Amino acid sequence: DTGVSQDPRHKITKRGQNVTFRCDPISEHNRLYWYRQTLGQGPEFLTYFQNEAQLEKSRLLSDRFSAERPKGSFSTLEIQRTEQGDSAMYLCASSFHKGQGYNSPLHFGNGTRLTVT
Amino acid sequence: QKEVEQNSGPLSVPEGAIASLNCTYSDRVSQSFFWYRQYSGKSPELIMSIYSNGDKEDGRFTAQLNKASQYVSLLIRDSQPSDSATYLCAPQEGYSSASKIIFGSGTRLSIRP
Repeated sequence: DTGVSQDPRHKITKRGQNVTFRCDPISEHNRLYWYRQTLGQGPEFLTYFQNEAQLEKSRLLSDRFSAERPKGSFSTLEIQRTEQGDSAMYLCASSFHKGQGYNSPLHFGNGTRLTVT
Repeated sequence: QKEVEQNSGPLSVPEGAIASLNCTYSDRVSQSFFWYRQYSGKSPELIMSIYSNGDKEDGRFTAQLNKASQYVSLLIRDSQPSDSATYLCAPQEGYSSASKIIFGSGTRLSIRP
């Protein structure tokens, strides 16, 4: 179990640029989540996948945000035309979901800290 | 998105005392509940999972769940300075194969020597 891996750890970009983050979940985990966290707040749900299927995307999320999980393995989160308000920690988490009404706990990566100047 | 309410704190507790952290949630069908600890600048780490009404103990930690009252709590006995962190309540939203986990804003806990 190598844990959830996120890359890069830090990203500084200028407003208007596109950025892409990668997440490698724990290998046997079928669910993968993306959250965003700002100072003093809890993780805010962005989107999640079960295998390669995107189950839900937050209604609060701008169309500038897109995520993929090809082949149900790693996932990428892209932000187009970044804005200063996008500055945050982007957290990826994975779990093994058994397909019933109960959820298994999430295992988090170390996060990607995005700064938009 | 359903709501998760936590007292933001900071909650200050003397070393060796019991820290009590509370959480209420709005989704009546939630079945899975988690407590995470987050140190400053770090990612959340799982402390406890609880799925049934009542108490669940793990070392110095006890989670308490009351689904009828939509209330979950975390007790930390014999509080240590290393327990100083933000504690996040994370219930499941929805009851289906597409349910997901959401988070409260967290309670900052400070253990004073």
